[in-house]
Amino acid sequence: GQNIDQPTEMTATEGAIVQINCTYQTSGFNGLFWYQQHAGEAPTFLSYNVLDGLEEKGRFSSFLSRSKGYSYLLLKELQMKDSASYLCAGVYDYKLSFGAGTTVTVRA
Amino acid sequence: DTEVTQTPKHLVMGMTNKKSLKCEQHMGHRAMYWYKQKAKKPPELMFVYSYEKLSINESVPSRFSPECPNSSLLNLHLHALQPEDSALYLCASSQGEMDTQYFGPGTRLTVL
Repeated sequence: GQNIDQPTEMTATEGAIVQINCTYQTSGFNGLFWYQQHAGEAPTFLSYNVLDGLEEKGRFSSFLSRSKGYSYLLLKELQMKDSASYLCAGVYDYKLSFGAGTTVTVRA
Repeated sequence: DTEVTQTPKHLVMGMTNKKSLKCEQHMGHRAMYWYKQKAKKPPELMFVYSYEKLSINESVPSRFSPECPNSSLLNLHLHALQPEDSALYLCASSQGEMDTQYFGPGTRLTVL
């Protein structure tokens, strides 16, 4: 819903950096969440961007450009445990609309 | 503490059974949610409760019936489900409807 698009899969090496891009419909948009979800488990909250700019939280950073309808999640110093699905979710009319998720595979 | 608990973890039921999923949070959150998630798909919103009142029903079939007995509990009553209803059912809660949602571990439901 809400035309939230993100790549299906990404692969990177342990210790590297990966950037997951997300584009979304700007009409009715109120904010953007990133969640991490390991297979068979619940999504866990990573970040929330309402204003333009970069939010840094340890190895993870998230960026938002409201005018461009664009966000990214940056994962630094990748670890094997970062292998998971990363969900971009926009807030529209008090509801979360999720993208299909990006499966990140970290290789040794 | 950002814990949302859900029971049971797994549930197998026949199409004529009646069962209930339970969700609990003690963070003082005033909004609670039910989502359905199929394999390799994102969560899909089913219901939203705000201050114990149903505020959003995403056109969910009546065989799913939500209930919010108090501000900490959220139930999902199931009756006459179909095999295609097999999925992971996630509960979430947030301080208010625009705030960060915290998810429970989910109930893996299989309908035979």
